[in-house]
Amino acid sequence: DTEVTQTPKHLVMGMTNKKSLKCEQHMGHRAMYWYKQKAKKPPELMFVYSYEKLSINESVPSRFSPECPNSSLLNLHLHALQPEDSALYLCASSQVPIGGGRETQYFGPGTRLLVL
Amino acid sequence: AQSVTQPDIHITVSEGASLELRCNYSYGATPYLFWYVQSPGQGLQLLLKYFSGDTLVQGIKGFEAEFKRSQSSFNLRKPSVHWSDAAEYFCAVGILTGGGNKLTFGTGTQLKVEL
Repeated sequence: DTEVTQTPKHLVMGMTNKKSLKCEQHMGHRAMYWYKQKAKKPPELMFVYSYEKLSINESVPSRFSPECPNSSLLNLHLHALQPEDSALYLCASSQVPIGGGRETQYFGPGTRLLVL
Repeated sequence: AQSVTQPDIHITVSEGASLELRCNYSYGATPYLFWYVQSPGQGLQLLLKYFSGDTLVQGIKGFEAEFKRSQSSFNLRKPSVHWSDAAEYFCAVGILTGGGNKLTFGTGTQLKVEL
């Protein structure tokens, strides 16, 4: 089973709202990722968690706050977003790479976010 | 720095025709290469990957890719395209950084299939 699930599928929020995106995997992976994808563009890495610790933050604005409460779950807390933050947010997971970046990332279906 | 180039933004083929999507990479060390496919509004599905060994790799849905070090290429091929193959295709290179595993994606190739 290579399934990564994400909820909700769609989210509409105002600029003053607080919302959260959720990602779950049960493959025993210990690395989890958040990507942002704008229309007609490739995914852009936002955050990487390795063994439930934040290991990469790609200079993402603080209005995006990731959280990894356990090895199966990854959240992305959203607050005071801007309309330009509207995008598809993808979660992925992999085994923790032990050398050379060879671990395969498996992606969820994404959450389509619209900020009004 | 590593980079991935997909020269073709759009490709249109007839159903049943063969397909080749181009991917060129720039990376100093041995690359770990992936092809993903994305249907509209969906996540990315892994088609195939190359880590080492045999330079011709087989993937799902009848796709294959060939790694050519001398040309820094990892082109994706399919002998006979089906209408359901219409989607966006991304080539990616995986590297290990101090913080973890990072994928660098190409800009993607949009495939249209004419019936």
